[in-house]
Amino acid sequence: EPEVTQTPSHQVTQMGQEVILRCVPISNHLYFYWYRQILGQKVEFLVSFYNNEISEKSEIFDDQFSVERPDGSNFTLKIRSTKLEDSAMYFCASSETGLHSTDTQYFGPGTRLTVL
Amino acid sequence: LAKTTQPISMDSYEGQEVNITCSHNNIATNDYITWYQQFPSQGPRFIIQGYKTKVTNEVASLFIPADRKSSTLSLPRVSLSDTAVYYCLVGVGSSNTGKLIFGQGTTLQVKP
Repeated sequence: EPEVTQTPSHQVTQMGQEVILRCVPISNHLYFYWYRQILGQKVEFLVSFYNNEISEKSEIFDDQFSVERPDGSNFTLKIRSTKLEDSAMYFCASSETGLHSTDTQYFGPGTRLTVL
Repeated sequence: LAKTTQPISMDSYEGQEVNITCSHNNIATNDYITWYQQFPSQGPRFIIQGYKTKVTNEVASLFIPADRKSSTLSLPRVSLSDTAVYYCLVGVGSSNTGKLIFGQGTTLQVKP
């Protein structure tokens, strides 16, 4: 069964550094998402991406964040100048269409980001 | 987007049937009801989705009454590996961007 993969599984960085989290969505999917989950809290939507542009972003997704699909397979989340409060699990997800509430999103295993 | 209310936690024993009910009084006519499961340190995983009446798959059943103001996820004969957080989501596609809005979910603890 096809799956979403994410690398690295764990990233430790110093406050103020830039990190790039990588995701490989399911190959025939067209919509891509990033979510985050701070330890002990709920999963929060960050951004959705379609046709090489952002479809929607949350209030969390400020100028510190950016997303990119640099090639036909990877989908990346860049966090510039990381802050302590950016420490969280970051999940990538993809779906075939994303246009309707019936579309299933498939999540990756996540990247645990620890900012020291 | 319809607000959902579900129990924060539930306990069960292996082999029992578990029913988790979600209230969504403000569900819109075109909203579907979707349940996701999340194991510790993993991403959420789709379990089941329905619009009305009953839906069943190899993992669970979803019961939706005629007024659609609530839904019940039924897990038959749970095992220890069903210990997870279960999320009820409603109306997630209304924005046309497909974003999912998760609540706190129901933490199910299955005991031996």
